[in-house]
Amino acid sequence: EAQVTQNPRYLITVTGKKLTVTCSQNMNHEYMSWYRQDPGLGLRQIYYSMNVEVTDKGDVPEGYKVSRKEKRNFPLILESPSPNQTSLYFCASLGQGAHGYTFGSGTRLTVV
Amino acid sequence: AQSVTQLGSHVSVSEGALVLLRCNYSSSVPPYLFWYVQYPNQGLQLLLKYTTGATLVKGINGFEAEFKKSETSFHLTKPSAHMSDAAEYFCAVSAGRSGGYQKVTFGTGTKLQVIP
Repeated sequence: EAQVTQNPRYLITVTGKKLTVTCSQNMNHEYMSWYRQDPGLGLRQIYYSMNVEVTDKGDVPEGYKVSRKEKRNFPLILESPSPNQTSLYFCASLGQGAHGYTFGSGTRLTVV
Repeated sequence: AQSVTQLGSHVSVSEGALVLLRCNYSSSVPPYLFWYVQYPNQGLQLLLKYTTGATLVKGINGFEAEFKKSETSFHLTKPSAHMSDAAEYFCAVSAGRSGGYQKVTFGTGTKLQVIP
């Protein structure tokens, strides 16, 4: 089954403790992206990657890092999480052609 | 630059009534337009998309949307609401271009409530 898999689904952490949210897709898609979803703000793009070793900032990149060492994986790294990063995070991938994103199930992060 | 405006953060309809969710877009180039649905505790799922060609596009679950260039709109409709349609709906736009990847900009979402 074609899918984007994110882990964990839920995460509670403390301010300043580094964390990684993993994302993996099995569709051989070149393009991957991370979004955060906040009430009233919709989805905002954090980072995206056009291919292996090619990443770029989205609209709200501050406080986040990403890497793309393999085509299938695109982890999101929070080096020093802060409470304003409490949010619902989605990873998504996109194949060639305008077929629309395939989204993961989301990671609900709470930073206390 | 591109943007999406969804009119109404919450919409309530009675079961069996027409569903109309409004979306207006802004794009400096011919757009690709999308509607996504998000059920509680799930990711977003593509409902339908417009790229080129026929301006009335049909999607899953009986939804359809019409691209109106003159009105810069892409409203989502369904003739008869079901309880299972209760969800949040997102309109999205990207620059239409053959090949390559274009940034997708999402609207702020509309929560649809269906009243029995």
